[in-house]
Amino acid sequence: QIQLVQSGTEVRESGASVKVSCKASGNTLTPHGFNWVRQAPGQGLQWMGWISAYNGDTDYAQNIQGRVTMTTDTSTTTAYMELRSLRFDDTAVYYCASGYYVSGKLLLEYWGQGTLVTVSS
Amino acid sequence: VLTQSPGTLSLSPGERATLSCRASQRVSGNYLAWYQQTPGQAPTLLIYGASIRAIGIPDRFSGSGSGTDFTLTISRLEPEDFAVYYCQRYDSSPQTFGQGTKLEIK
Repeated sequence: QIQLVQSGTEVRESGASVKVSCKASGNTLTPHGFNWVRQAPGQGLQWMGWISAYNGDTDYAQNIQGRVTMTTDTSTTTAYMELRSLRFDDTAVYYCASGYYVSGKLLLEYWGQGTLVTVSS
Repeated sequence: VLTQSPGTLSLSPGERATLSCRASQRVSGNYLAWYQQTPGQAPTLLIYGASIRAIGIPDRFSGSGSGTDFTLTISRLEPEDFAVYYCQRYDSSPQTFGQGTKLEIK
């Protein structure tokens, strides 16, 4: 069992950057990777990208590529998601999700509590 | 693209729910998952590999399908099952989610 604890609510102005953290704890087995998923108010889930906890390989959704960077700190089992040049439509709850590989694919068994990022003028 | 139907499903406790997820391109390896989300909460993994229940998920939840057509079935609805359900393909990038089906009490 893994618990994912995310950093708190953020408010940023348009054009600024935000960095959200996600710390994993509770299991001696390091999770295999982290995904980031966001949800705009009243909307569905949008996959943002993935980072390997082993080698730092990343894969970003095309619509945010160039503005997002995902990193991990293996010493603290913490994942980070930085989003730059924020726009109003980046206002959303940002979730980290993690787990282990099953049949070669990362299962998103564990989710953080979500971090609300509000972009204002 | 993953298209879920119906958008909203109105049923009563004890009834059977059938939710559909259709992919515009074949999902290889049946790498299709289902999640449940209640208001204000993070999603919960219900089903992976199209038909395998995640740990701790009651057996009234079942998944089926392959290729482009997948189904989540809840055999007898409990009050706590009224929520929004999402399918997700995780066979390749991007790991798209469907737009969701809201299961509401009739």
